[in-house]
Amino acid sequence: AAGVIQSPRHLIKEKRETATLKCYPIPRHDTVYWYQQGPGQDPQFLISFYEKMQSDKGSIPDRFSAQQFSDYHSELNMSSLELGDSALYFCASSLRPTGLGDSPLHFGNGTRLTVT
Amino acid sequence: EDQVTQSPEALRLQEGESSSLNCSYTVSGLRGLFWYRQDPGKGPEFLFTLYSAGEEKEKERLKATLTKKESFLHITAPKPEDSATYLCAVRALNDYKLSFGAGTTVTVRA
Repeated sequence: AAGVIQSPRHLIKEKRETATLKCYPIPRHDTVYWYQQGPGQDPQFLISFYEKMQSDKGSIPDRFSAQQFSDYHSELNMSSLELGDSALYFCASSLRPTGLGDSPLHFGNGTRLTVT
Repeated sequence: EDQVTQSPEALRLQEGESSSLNCSYTVSGLRGLFWYRQDPGKGPEFLFTLYSAGEEKEKERLKATLTKKESFLHITAPKPEDSATYLCAVRALNDYKLSFGAGTTVTVRA
């Protein structure tokens, strides 16, 4: 079965540079989520999109922005990178849950960003 | 704000030694409680969703249960391939994202 695809798998940037992470959700999933996971930490919610519109915002720095395109793929843009931005960035997709319907998030294998 | 607390942080087991992981949660109305397995450098892999107190779900050597305040993930006769970090997450009724706990890292020795 098709899974969530993220690219690139690894990215090395210097401080103050910019980075763009890409996510291709599972076909027919209408919601995309971005999470950040630092070393030994739990995944922290950044932002989500439903049908190409931003639907929720978490602890996403103002230096970061994201969007979802007409083909449902999403991009996370990160500017003025700092050392503390080094982390695993996960994208997940799901169908939007209705009522108590089961709609788990399915995660990609992430992009490991290293800022030097 | 939704809170998820997992214990213990780490668990070392001998192959065949059954044990349980705990997930305590506080949420303003529970839409669902989710268990995930995460291997190093990989994304979380979905295991179970539980919706209401008293519910139980099983998959191979794993069994998840739910009460009004906590969930348990029981690992029966674990094998080395069960070694991973197990993450618990909740989704509130008025929300769609998942809020995660810090996870329990399980190591099973042969």
